[in-house]
Amino acid sequence: ILNVEQSPQSLHVQEGDSTNFTCSFPSSNFYALHWYRWETAKSPEALFVMTLNGDEKKKGRISATLNTKEGYSYLYIKGSQPEDSATYLCASTNRDDKIIFGKGTRLHILP
Amino acid sequence: DSGVTQTPKHLITATGQRVTLRCSPRSGDLSVYWYQQSLDQGLQFLIQYYNGEERAKGNILERFSAQQFPDLHSELNLSSLELGDSALYFCASSTLGQGWIGYTFGSGTRLTVV
Repeated sequence: ILNVEQSPQSLHVQEGDSTNFTCSFPSSNFYALHWYRWETAKSPEALFVMTLNGDEKKKGRISATLNTKEGYSYLYIKGSQPEDSATYLCASTNRDDKIIFGKGTRLHILP
Repeated sequence: DSGVTQTPKHLITATGQRVTLRCSPRSGDLSVYWYQQSLDQGLQFLIQYYNGEERAKGNILERFSAQQFPDLHSELNLSSLELGDSALYFCASSTLGQGWIGYTFGSGTRLTVV
């Protein structure tokens, strides 16, 4: 994988349900994986930065895991709320300072 | 307010013109990154400066240039503008050169080339 791929591109989830989505990134020369939350008309806001294989981070109802050997990260949202509606971006930084963003997963929470 | 300031917020200009976008990083951050977001595209990394020096280059066109000044603010210069340059340009800053603690984004400059 040479790019950062996020799936799905878009997701509709019923309020209260839990959900997760994927970020695949180049595993060679890897340094860090970032997740951002991007609301319409605002700038991306950092959620997590992970560097070690097996890292798991949590912030309230949102958590993320990292597998650097196979080059993927999952973002989980437990008990989705309307305020979770946003685009979730992941970005991979390698040891040469190259930064690649995925195109994001657009999450819509249905009332 | 993220602490990263970008000006102007909106810019409308004609093809062939030149514009300068400005970014002031969060206090204490030495690195500044520029990104371009076009319609249906993800964030494209353009260039990074660290403490006044160019650190990494991404998909930046030759018509575009940037610099970081001694006070750490940065400017992105876009010249010979084309319609396709219309995009949202974000600046981000971070504390360390590699940005491993994450980036703080500004609110962006919306450039429209007509």
